[in-house]
Amino acid sequence: NAGVTQTPKFQVLKTGQSMTLQCAQDMNHEYMSWYRQDPGMGLRLIHYSVGAGITDQGEVPNGYNVSRSTTEDFPLRLLSAAPSQTSVYFCASLPDRISGELFFGEGSRLTVL
Amino acid sequence: AQRVTQPEKLLSVFKGAPVELKCNYSYSGSPELFWYVQYSRQRLQLLLRHISRESIKGFTADLNKGETSFHLKKPFAQEEDSAMYYCALSGDNFNKFYFGSGTKLNVKP
Repeated sequence: NAGVTQTPKFQVLKTGQSMTLQCAQDMNHEYMSWYRQDPGMGLRLIHYSVGAGITDQGEVPNGYNVSRSTTEDFPLRLLSAAPSQTSVYFCASLPDRISGELFFGEGSRLTVL
Repeated sequence: AQRVTQPEKLLSVFKGAPVELKCNYSYSGSPELFWYVQYSRQRLQLLLRHISRESIKGFTADLNKGETSFHLKKPFAQEEDSAMYYCALSGDNFNKFYFGSGTKLNVKP
């Protein structure tokens, strides 16, 4: 199993551009989420999903959209990138309600100029 | 509001010395507490959770509700313990995790 796969690993955008960070998992996990990590701060939850067709906002959702059309995929869209969205983004999946064990992707480093 | 605080950004110890990584939290309900670890060039992964009460790689952590702390301890540090450690909390919504800012542990030979 590849686990959680994120693409791209690195991206540079100009202010106002849009892009999608891709996340796919092959573990048949129902629960998926996106976090961002900024220097000196912990990971903060952007959006999460409890299954195909169901998404909800996390702690810092503004400027981001998500959708969950399949169990495997959970893309994160930046509609109009801003310098404040420069960060490292992590996708994670959770196998169940009990374990508390998040499975993380390798991260995507995004720079917005 | 829920918050996880790790006061130390960097902790350096010599091999064989005891290590304690501090974690304090604030949460109004009954939280579940976790320690996640990221070794060099590896993904962030679960190290241990408080309800399992296990010792993983020699690490233990006890939840102290009175002091709202969940410190990670190991009696004898090894060089391979060098990594970034994150304390995390999950509350009423099992899908939502709150992470501390992390402590980098450097174990010197």
